[in-house]
Amino acid sequence: EVQLVESGGGLVQPGGSLRLSCATSGISVSSIQMSWVRQAPGKGLEWVSVVHRGGNTDYAGSVRDRFTISRDNSRNIVSLQMNSLSAEDTAVYFCRCWGCAYGTDVWGPGTTVTVSS
Amino acid sequence: ETVMTQSPATLSVFPGESATLSCRASQSIGNNLVWFQQKPGQAPRLIIHTASTRAPGVPARFTGSGSGTEFILTISGLQSEDFAVYYCKQYATWLWTLGQGTKVEIK
Repeated sequence: EVQLVESGGGLVQPGGSLRLSCATSGISVSSIQMSWVRQAPGKGLEWVSVVHRGGNTDYAGSVRDRFTISRDNSRNIVSLQMNSLSAEDTAVYFCRCWGCAYGTDVWGPGTTVTVSS
Repeated sequence: ETVMTQSPATLSVFPGESATLSCRASQSIGNNLVWFQQKPGQAPRLIIHTASTRAPGVPARFTGSGSGTEFILTISGLQSEDFAVYYCKQYATWLWTLGQGTKVEIK
């Protein structure tokens, strides 16, 4: 069974940094598409970043140059390094894989990031 | 950026009735569209991909249709577990974008 579990969320001051991790089981992150998706309190979903099967990456404009997605193929972990955080980055961050289960995707339960002084 | 617009924002339906949710793209996205269902405090769940293909385990009462810029999600005979927020998302071109969601609530 494929499972994803996010970690690394917490309370951080504006301008600070956090590193989120998505631990996976049952898959090889090197061969599938992995994304980070966030949801601000009471708001809709926002696709933040993706690392494609081939290793190329994409970012939402609001996080480009501040966030970096990476994958550790040996440990099957996908990470999101978040720098220069602001209140607008406060959200639940979900990890999601596509191509990891036949005909569907798998999501983690999410980790909460709160940016506040 | 492709803007996705969903309507209505809220849909009040009696259990057993049908619900029709709309999603419009600001430019043609072919059939590169998915529908997600999300319940409070939970991660989203994929319902439909490639506009009309049900994900494994999704009941047949969920039907996706459309292509280009106009898409529909129909839920026939709503069950209690179907009351949730539904999002459409395009993946034709990056930046993948989602609609603001349609909340399907019990009338």
